Amino acid sequence: QQQVKQSPQSLIVQKGGISIINCAYENTAFDYFPWYQQFPGKGPALLIAIRPDVSEKKEGRFTISFNKSAKQFSLHIMDSQPGDSATYFCAASRTGTASKLTFGTGTRLQVTL
Amino acid sequence: SAVISQKPSRDICQRGTSLTIQCQVDSQVTMMFWYRQQPGQSLTLIATANQGSEATYESGFVIDKFPISRPNLTFSTLTVSNMSPEDSSIYLCSVAPGLHNEQFFGPGTRLTVL
Repeated sequence: QQQVKQSPQSLIVQKGGISIINCAYENTAFDYFPWYQQFPGKGPALLIAIRPDVSEKKEGRFTISFNKSAKQFSLHIMDSQPGDSATYFCAASRTGTASKLTFGTGTRLQVTL
Repeated sequence: SAVISQKPSRDICQRGTSLTIQCQVDSQVTMMFWYRQQPGQSLTLIATANQGSEATYESGFVIDKFPISRPNLTFSTLTVSNMSPEDSSIYLCSVAPGLHNEQFFGPGTRLTVL
């Protein structure tokens, strides 16, 4: 099974700080890399996604950095807020595989006051 | 995006029984999927629900245990059959409306098997 490795497993950041979550993939055929945010008792919500033709994508306080040669991508949350406290999942898929997503193991983020 | 609802939102069931989970989407979508999320874990794809044909199951999941129906482009059901406590999980449906591989998830069904 194609894997997506995610780290760290958990993360504590102070309010206003930068949260960084990293993922690495194996399958070079992957060409779509989304991040999902999940609050307790809710389904995952699509947060931001990137394709390998760009090295960075920013939406508000959320930025994805993508390194194709290293097969790594990361999520940066700038000015982290207590409301960002959630579990974050990276994922990957390949065009032509019916959008099947392979998920990372998840990172539980806690933003403290 | 798409608005997805699931029924029931949660249930507590006895060992050996079956539960059918419904997933309704507010628009027609080609691709619909069912995932399992065990407590504190990541998401694992169970199967792709194909409209008008049998579902396509991932390794480790079989039709006898997780029968799926997809009668039209807005609705699907997943049945968890002959349940055991190991089936206690959150079951999520998702859809890919066809735009850039984006996939959207329902709120999930939290199943507890006693």
